[in-house]
Amino acid sequence: NAGVTQTPKFRILKIGQSMTLQCTQDMNHNYMYWYRQDPGMGLKLIYYSVGAGITDKGEVPNGYNVSRSTTEDFPLRLELAAPSQTSVYFCASSYRGGNTEAFFGQGTRLTVV
Amino acid sequence: KQEVTQIPAALSVPEGENLVLNCSFTDSAIYNLQWFRQDPGKGLTSLLLIQSSQREQTSGRLNASLDKSSGRSTLYIAASQPGDSATYLCAVRPGRSGGSNYKLTFGKGTLLTVNP
Repeated sequence: NAGVTQTPKFRILKIGQSMTLQCTQDMNHNYMYWYRQDPGMGLKLIYYSVGAGITDKGEVPNGYNVSRSTTEDFPLRLELAAPSQTSVYFCASSYRGGNTEAFFGQGTRLTVV
Repeated sequence: KQEVTQIPAALSVPEGENLVLNCSFTDSAIYNLQWFRQDPGKGLTSLLLIQSSQREQTSGRLNASLDKSSGRSTLYIAASQPGDSATYLCAVRPGRSGGSNYKLTFGKGTLLTVNP
């Protein structure tokens, strides 16, 4: 099983550029999440989705957008990249979100210069 | 607001030693607690999930305990090996009384080094 797949693995952006981080899962999970991980800061929730067509903001949503048109895919959009968005981004999914495990992708390391 | 703290931030032990990693959380209204392992430059791998009604879970050399009333969990690693070197993260999912139960709140992790 592929689990949670993120692309790309690495990316360098210039300030003001836009990009989409892709995330897809093949476990038929209802819930999907985007986190960012900064050194010494732990993981912070950016956006989450409880099903196709439903998304909501997490702790640090500013500068990002998401969509969930299918159960499998949950892309994260950066519209105007800023140096503060340099981070490692993780996508995760879980079934229903209650008493079940969360599974994480391998991450996307983004540098904004 | 739920806060998760992991102590120590870093730990270095000789191979073969038994060790304990600590995780504490401020709001005891949780659904479950999950321990993860993260290797450098990699994603998070789930190690153990403890439901709020459980006291402990075991997988191989790993044993995780949960004391919900005191807001604490421990991850016990027996007979440590150099391959156990990684960052260990704990995360809690809030129970219904704590608001949305969709979101995991993470600690900052413990960096474990097992020396040969």
